[in-house]
Amino acid sequence: KAGVTQTPRYLIKTRGQQVTLSCSPISGHRSVSWYQQTPGQGLQFLFEYFSETQRNKGNFPGRFSGRQFSNSRSEMNVSTLELGDSALYLCASSLATWDANEKLFFGSGTQLSVL
Amino acid sequence: SQQGEEDPQALSIQEGENATMNCSYKTSINNLQWYRQNSGRGLVHLILIRSNEREKHSGRLRVTLDTSKKSSSLLITASRAADTASYFCATTGGGNKLTFGTGTQLKVEL
Repeated sequence: KAGVTQTPRYLIKTRGQQVTLSCSPISGHRSVSWYQQTPGQGLQFLFEYFSETQRNKGNFPGRFSGRQFSNSRSEMNVSTLELGDSALYLCASSLATWDANEKLFFGSGTQLSVL
Repeated sequence: SQQGEEDPQALSIQEGENATMNCSYKTSINNLQWYRQNSGRGLVHLILIRSNEREKHSGRLRVTLDTSKKSSSLLITASRAADTASYFCATTGGGNKLTFGTGTQLKVEL
C-alpha cells in the first residue's frame, strides 16, 4: 500500500507570491490534516479535512487555506507569501473512523523556502 | 502555540543504553501519542496510550502516562544507532488535531 504522497518535495518562492501544495493520502483514508513545522514554533496544526469539509482549523491567518477533493486528495494554498512562511509543511492521513484514538500517517513533507 | 514541553531537549547516549524522554502537557487529553522524525522528514507513529491507560509496551518501547501530573515518558531500551532521530509527544482531546511537544533530539553513538 502506498504511503502518503506530498508534492513537490522542495519549493522556492518569493515574497508576495502564492503557492499550492498537494497531498495524496493512503488509499481508503478519508481524513487529511496539515501541519507546519518551523525551528521556532515547532509543529503546529493548520487544518483537517474529512469528506471534502474542513473539520478543524488551527490558529493561522486566512492566507492559509485548503480543500479536499472527492477522492480524498487535498491541497493547501498560501497566498501573499511572507518570509515567516518558510517551513516544512506536513500532510497526514487517517482512516477517520468514529474511534477518537487514531494514529496519523505522515508524508515526507514539502520544504517551502520564501526569499 | 505548543502545549507540550519535552525534556531533555537533546540526549546523547551509547548504543545499547536506554533512553528516556519526558513530556508534559497542559489540558485534559483523550490520548497521547509518540512520533519519531528522521532529519526533517515525515513523522512516524510509534505508540498511542489512551487517557485511561497507565503503561504500554511495543517492542523496545515503553510508555507511561500519569494524567494527574499531566506527564508521559517514553523509554527506548537497548538503543541502536538507527534510533537516532527527534521524538515528539502529541496530545489530542479528540479528532485529528494533534498538539505536539517541543521534541527531544536523540543521538545514539556507536
